[in-house]
Amino acid sequence: LAKTTQPISMDSYEGQEVNITCSHNNIATNDYITWYQQFPSQGPRFIIQGYKTKVTNEVASLFIPADRKSSTLSLPRVSLSDTAVYYCLVETDTGNQFYFGTGTSLTVIP
Amino acid sequence: EADIYQTPRYLVIGTGKKITLECSQTMGHDKMYWYQQDPGMELHLIHYSYGVNSTEKGDLSSESTVSRIRTEHFPLTLESARPSHTSQYLCASSEFSPQETQYFGPGTRLLVL
Repeated sequence: LAKTTQPISMDSYEGQEVNITCSHNNIATNDYITWYQQFPSQGPRFIIQGYKTKVTNEVASLFIPADRKSSTLSLPRVSLSDTAVYYCLVETDTGNQFYFGTGTSLTVIP
Repeated sequence: EADIYQTPRYLVIGTGKKITLECSQTMGHDKMYWYQQDPGMELHLIHYSYGVNSTEKGDLSSESTVSRIRTEHFPLTLESARPSHTSQYLCASSEFSPQETQYFGPGTRLLVL
């Protein structure tokens, strides 16, 4: 089971780009990397998922280097509403093992 | 948006009571999960199911039990609640596919006095 390591917290000013890096040194060949966002008193919400290189959607970008031992979630021009906890999750392709870790608490400052 | 529901949203109950936390999804997902999360802490998987009549324990030992008689319904039961069970309980579901995404319910906040 590939465990992940993320910074506990980050602060950013509104309008800046935020990059959150996650380490997953024991990632297996068939594992995918998924990021979730969680607001207080709510369940996590899917943001983005990738296997290698770069993935982009309307919310974020995910950068995964060739060795796949880390990944970086990039949030462009954050706003106050992006204040949340962000979890990096490594999922096996059989989908029966999940480790959310402690997540990164992002605070966006006006 | 995902259609996954949890009831009750908040529950305050005395020690020794039996409680059932309800979780239902209308997406036809085969896989369902229960997580436990204390405030500011990480999520811990306590139960999951691959489909009807399938239940498995997660990586966190739990005194709760689950059942999966219908695809859409995955209730969690505590036979005798204790203060140590005070926590937030999150239900999720996903399709049975290699790149599954989990959809979470709003959670149930449980306080055992």
